[in-house]
Amino acid sequence: DIVMTQTPLSSPVTLGQPASISCRSSQSLVHSDGNTYLSWLQQRPGQPPRLLIYKISNRFSGVPDRFSGSGAGTDFTLKISRVEAEDVGVYYCMQATQFPFTFGPGTKVDIK
Amino acid sequence: EVQLVQSGAEVKKPGESLKISCKGSGYSFTSYWIGWVRQMPGKGLEWMGIIYPGDSDTRYSPSFQGQVTISADKSISTAYLQWSSLKASDTAMYYCARGGTSIYGSGNNWFDPWGQGTLVTVSS
Repeated sequence: DIVMTQTPLSSPVTLGQPASISCRSSQSLVHSDGNTYLSWLQQRPGQPPRLLIYKISNRFSGVPDRFSGSGAGTDFTLKISRVEAEDVGVYYCMQATQFPFTFGPGTKVDIK
Repeated sequence: EVQLVQSGAEVKKPGESLKISCKGSGYSFTSYWIGWVRQMPGKGLEWMGIIYPGDSDTRYSPSFQGQVTISADKSISTAYLQWSSLKASDTAMYYCARGGTSIYGSGNNWFDPWGQGTLVTVSS
């Protein structure tokens, strides 16, 4: 199985300041079809997960442009340019390149 | 609107059986994979398995193989997750999520939307 790791696991952030989460996979996430199926999901308290970013850097419909994704191969990053109160929650990276699909352990973002 | 609506919370005793559901609407149910994800209390997300309702092709994560059964009834656009004998350790929130049109490489292998979750509590 592909193991996903995330750093940090907890990120207290000041409102209006940036936040960055790193995700690393145990092997390359480049699929044989040429795509890299690395997604980022947000889970607000008491809510189901919500897709933010797919294929490394594509913002899903309705996702604010303060969220951005980057990376390649085995190293990926989610950035929030200016954290807002509604961004509090846990962020997961997820790979869907190889079954079984796997999630990172999650990074908890809260406000200082 | 593409939507997945899951069945309601369940409270069961160890050893009992259970089948929870996930009904899709607003899209061609038979053309997209549906996955199931477990979230134990206070913990992260774990992939359980995935099914293609069009032909019932099903894949299980090794940790869940033999522990649960995933199925689908395309006539009513509903996917299912079932247990034959529940354990206390099955207590968790279970989510379904719509994937792409192929998990074997189609360019659209990401998961949205997600169902609202079904809380399963197993306690004697």
